[in-house]
Amino acid sequence: DTEVTQTPKHLVMGMTNKKSLKCEQHMGHRAMYWYKQKAKKPPELMFVYSYEKLSINESVPSRFSPECPNSSLLNLHLHALQPEDSALYLCASSAGTGWYEQYFGPGTRLTVT
Amino acid sequence: GESVGLHLPTLSVQEGDNSIINCAYSNSASDYFIWYKQESGKGPQFIIDIRSNMDKRQGQRVTVLLNKTVKHLSLQIAATQPGDSAVYFCAENIEVQGGSEKLVFGKGTKLTVNP
Repeated sequence: DTEVTQTPKHLVMGMTNKKSLKCEQHMGHRAMYWYKQKAKKPPELMFVYSYEKLSINESVPSRFSPECPNSSLLNLHLHALQPEDSALYLCASSAGTGWYEQYFGPGTRLTVT
Repeated sequence: GESVGLHLPTLSVQEGDNSIINCAYSNSASDYFIWYKQESGKGPQFIIDIRSNMDKRQGQRVTVLLNKTVKHLSLQIAATQPGDSAVYFCAENIEVQGGSEKLVFGKGTKLTVNP
């Protein structure tokens, strides 16, 4: 099973809402990632978890809060977002950090109104 | 600074032709590179990777070439098919402060294959 799943596929939320994005993998990978991708742009790294510990935070605003409950799950909690946060949010996983290919999920298309 | 770029933002080829997508990277310490394919509405899909101790690596219909002297990476797709139409990203693995590593993606090239 080389699949990374993400839910929901689409999400529309107001600026005062609280929502969560979920990501799951069952490949035994120990590194998981959140990326943000705007239209016609490359993915931009937000967070990296390695062995369930946050190892990289790319100076992401605190309205985005990641959580790694266990080695298979990764969440991204959203609160008080801005319209400019509308984007495709991609989750990825890899066996480790460094020389390991990252497998990406299909993404959650987020629209903030 | 961190920069992985592409020479051509769009590439249009005829079905059956070979395609070459280029990428320039700026970090001479980068030791691992990946090419991803992203189709509309989907997440990036791994195509092929190469480590810095190699110059060339081949897969099924794809070849990646690495020229460390000029910091250049290319992806060659043989006998391009309509299903190859997508945006292609190169990505560079770099070490950041604290010893962690991350991928930095290039701008992307949109490949269109005409039947």
